[in-house]
Amino acid sequence: QVQLVQSGAEVKKPGASVKVSCKASGYTFTAYYVHWVRQAPGQGLEWMGIINPSGDGTTYAQKFQGRVTMTGDTSTSTVYMELSSLKSEDTAVYYCARSRTNLGAAGGFDIWGQGTMVTVSS
Amino acid sequence: QTVVTQEPSLTVSPGGTVTLTCASSTGAVTSGYYPNWFRQKPGQAPRALIYSTSNKYSWTPARFSGSLLGDKAALTLSGVQPEDEAEYYCLLYYGGAQPWVFGGGTKLTVL
Repeated sequence: QVQLVQSGAEVKKPGASVKVSCKASGYTFTAYYVHWVRQAPGQGLEWMGIINPSGDGTTYAQKFQGRVTMTGDTSTSTVYMELSSLKSEDTAVYYCARSRTNLGAAGGFDIWGQGTMVTVSS
Repeated sequence: QTVVTQEPSLTVSPGGTVTLTCASSTGAVTSGYYPNWFRQKPGQAPRALIYSTSNKYSWTPARFSGSLLGDKAALTLSGVQPEDEAEYYCLLYYGGAQPWVFGGGTKLTVL
């Protein structure tokens, strides 16, 4: 079935980097954008950025520009999100979600990964 | 900085009807903001309910409907069930350097 499966929980020290993966299955990988969304403990959802796995580019939220890198590997149908210079405020659950490329903004974020908990602590 | 505002909390009785709204600090929300709605239960990933203002997914219960109400996007639940108790988030599209912005969420209590 259609699903996005994310990598496991991570614990990192301040100043380190973390790389979270999101493996797609059950659909044509290049037909969908992948978004990254995070949620700090007890807080709301925050959109981080989007990648077109076809290789046509990325857009990052201004807040994360310079610290986040999203990449895709079509051979394994996997998207990666790397966040550097981690701070305690980056402690959150990180989600990936897909939306159709041919619908642009009109396509919804229909399928979500299960989430990856990233803890930043000294 | 763009802010998307939702009611922090709402309470509804089982079987009742409730409307959640989603406002933009930039002005009236129109169909060009492609409003999305999600439901999130504790410990779970968000689940998509509505996209592009009023479109439902195959799994969206019929009691959920999306619309534009005045200058806001709206999610209406008719015939609320106990399992509808959850946090609800809207998402709006702005394009440009910050394409998507989530609202702060509405905690819906069914009591």
